[in-house]
Amino acid sequence: DTGVSQDPRHKITKRGQNVTFRCDPISEHNRLYWYRQTLGQGPEFLTYFQNEAQLEKSRLLSDRFSAERPKGSFSTLEIQRTEQGDSAMYLCASIRLIGYRGQETQYFGPGTRLLVL
Amino acid sequence: SQKIEQNSEALNIQEGKTATLTCNYTNYSPAYLQWYRQDPGRGPVFLLLIRENEKEKRKERLKVTFDTTLKQSLFHITASQPADSATYLCALYQGGKLIFGQGTELSVKP
Repeated sequence: DTGVSQDPRHKITKRGQNVTFRCDPISEHNRLYWYRQTLGQGPEFLTYFQNEAQLEKSRLLSDRFSAERPKGSFSTLEIQRTEQGDSAMYLCASIRLIGYRGQETQYFGPGTRLLVL
Repeated sequence: SQKIEQNSEALNIQEGKTATLTCNYTNYSPAYLQWYRQDPGRGPVFLLLIRENEKEKRKERLKVTFDTTLKQSLFHITASQPADSATYLCALYQGGKLIFGQGTELSVKP
């Protein structure tokens, strides 16, 4: 257990439905990342937050995807109008940065596995 | 274009042997490179980090090398054990985020 938790662990939904995932990082970690991983591939970067500010979004993140980190603690990732191609493992990771230094190891949660039928 | 490539074929070795996994990259200039282990249905777990000015790093039975001229990192597990069976991911740090390879699946047979 890395200390990063994600909820739910598994989600099955029908095409067209909206889903929301939650990530709780390690408490003192100020940077939070979201990744998507499909079978046989490595994690692909989606977006990241420094405290509550969303600093970068990947081109993979279509306008159906939105992420928030309202108080700089937990984060949510919402997918609207899900498509079968959204089926994947969604991973969250966190680190603590002080200026440009700090921990470089990313601590990953267990992931949320999404299946869109 | 930018690419990170790991051995695409699964690696099967006998217990006690050394496993060597390869990570090659093009068109990146990473400040450092990391290796992670991932078990089925779990998130990746950090193993080792090596910086651009380091040639080699060791931790117990693990050794990583980093050649910025060849744009390659090698990851070695000596005296391998069945418990080392997992997928191993290399990741480059660039622009504030990690860019992962596709991973290599390692199977250690008793």
